[in-house]
Amino acid sequence: SQTIHQWPATLVQPVGSPLSLECTVEGTSNPNLYWYRQAAGRGLQLLFYSVGIGQISSEVPQNLSASRPQDRQFILSSKKLLLSDSGFYLCAWTGYDTEAFFGQGTRLTVV
Amino acid sequence: GNSVTQMEGPVTLSEEAFLTINCTYTATGYPSLFWYVQYPGEGLQLLLKATKADDKGSNKGFEATYRKETTSFHLEKGSVQVSDSAVYFCALRGGSQGNLIFGKGTKLSVKP
Repeated sequence: SQTIHQWPATLVQPVGSPLSLECTVEGTSNPNLYWYRQAAGRGLQLLFYSVGIGQISSEVPQNLSASRPQDRQFILSSKKLLLSDSGFYLCAWTGYDTEAFFGQGTRLTVV
Repeated sequence: GNSVTQMEGPVTLSEEAFLTINCTYTATGYPSLFWYVQYPGEGLQLLLKATKADDKGSNKGFEATYRKETTSFHLEKGSVQVSDSAVYFCALRGGSQGNLIFGKGTKLSVKP
């Protein structure tokens, strides 16, 4: 069966520090991969999606970047965090004609 | 482009009350429609889905019918429980390889 792993679960980082969040999927191949952010009390904002290795589409301009070095690995990064980067980050995958499957999320607090 | 509009919350109900959360969509073609639920501090879980017009998705007492004529996918439950308190998201996926588009979410609080 397919599983999705996202880590870390919580993270507290100072302003100006780098960020790396990792997401991996098991049990499927060539998934579409997504990073969403959910600010407190708000909906889901699609940050990046990827349809294949090295293929990244950005939905909104921001202080973040994403990479897909392997088929089932999706990484969210920042060189210098801002206070406004705080939020709940969710990784998800979809297969051909399937619903989305979500990781458990990372609570990021920038202080 | 594709979009989803769902009723703004929060929604507060008493236990055993009837629930409706409205969701309408705009899409070309024949999207698949979904309802997801998010419990506090967790990721999203699929609640139910429908892939073609007039399909009814159901799970855990929740139901939603894909209405192409009104471009709607309203979520209903006949008798809510305190454990149903969560945020509910309506979503669509346009095509087999399309992205998921989410509504803004509706927070439901059920009081005993």
